[in-house]
Parts: sequence; C-alpha cells; structure tokens
Amino acid sequence: SAVISQKPSRDICQRGTSLTIQCQVDSQVTMMFWYRQQPGQSLTLIATANQGSEATYESGFVIDKFPISRPNLTFSTLTVSNMSPEDSSIYLCSVGPSGLAGRETQYFGPGTRLLVL
Amino acid sequence: DAKTTQPPSMDCAEGRAANLPCNHSTISGNEYVYWYRQIHSQGPQYIIHGLKNNETNEMASLIITEDRKSSTLILPHATLRDTAVYYCIAATYSGAGSYQLTFGKGTKLSVIP
Repeated sequence: SAVISQKPSRDICQRGTSLTIQCQVDSQVTMMFWYRQQPGQSLTLIATANQGSEATYESGFVIDKFPISRPNLTFSTLTVSNMSPEDSSIYLCSVGPSGLAGRETQYFGPGTRLLVL
Repeated sequence: DAKTTQPPSMDCAEGRAANLPCNHSTISGNEYVYWYRQIHSQGPQYIIHGLKNNETNEMASLIITEDRKSSTLILPHATLRDTAVYYCIAATYSGAGSYQLTFGKGTKLSVIP
C-alpha cells in the first residue's frame, strides 16, 4: 500500500483567510482525490486530480473556493480559500490505482483537521 | 455508483466474529464492493474488496451473494481495536484509473469487552 502524508495535520484559522493543504505520496500514483468530512458526517468527494490536467470537481465544489494543484505524480495541494466557519472539517487526500493489476484500491492520508473561527 | 444500505450501529463481543451486512440491490455488473473503516476521525483504512467471488485477506472475509445484491464483511475474531465506523461502497472501476468511492453513513461497530 502507499504511504501518504498530509501537512498540516491540524490548523486553526481566521475567517476570510486561506489555507493550503499538502499531500505527499511515497510512490508515483495516477489519481489523487480530495475529500471533506464535516463534523459527524461521512466523507464527501471534492475533486479528482490527475497529473498534468485540470482537476475535476464534484457538484457543489468550485475551483475558486478549492483550487487544486497536481505538479507531479507524488504530490498535490488543496487550498481552502476565503474560509468561513462552515469550512471547519477534516480534509483528506487519497491516492488511486498505480496502473498495476490488482491495485484497484484507494488509500487515504491521515487527514487535516481545520477549525475556522 | 450504486447506493448501499447498512445498519447504523452494531455491537460485537470481543473475540467473537463480527458480521457486518450491506445491501446493494442496484449494483451493476462492473461495480466492485469495497469495505473501508474509519477509527475515530483517522483516515479511512482499506479492508477488502470484491466483484462477485468471496474474498479473504489478513483482515477480513467478504461474502457476496450470488445475485450480488448484498454482502457481508466478516471480522473473524473482533478485538477492541476493531471499534470503528465501517463503510460498504459500490464503486465502478473504469480500468483507466478513473473511479471514485461514494461514502454513505456506514455502520458504527462497537466491540464490547
């Protein structure tokens, strides 16, 4: 399985500011995904990030609010822009298949816990 | 993705087998059944997945009915560390690395000493 790290692990931010979350993988992966988990809720997919192309956003999520970068096959960032208290959530990245048979599995990072005051 | 239905909560005695059911009556032929678990707001942990055959690994067994409309995740000897929310997901794998997991509410499993 892939080893995934996220930075920061947690943060407390003021409304109106932006936070960039980093996701680093220990091996090259095709697909990276960003999820949000609001307090007491399940995970919701924000967007899918493929290296070398624009991220694909799910309904209800827009690039201006959650810009994503995917500069190479091991790294991605998610920015939460112009934050409000409703953005307080755990943000998780996951990585998709490596293209090898039998590796059709997503592995998740530890998450970034964000509190917006 | 097909919608899945799971009981909101279950209890299991430590050392006993935990059998977690999942209904996915609208699953299509190319959708896999995945199981993940999430221990107290950590990142979800992959457990097992299958298409139509039963699967077993070091963590669990997955039993899929012949009509694929339901499945059961079996933790053979539950421990306190297995207390978590368990998610059953039906996901389409395109073969081009393009697929996604749609998480429902899951089943909160409590393992009781």
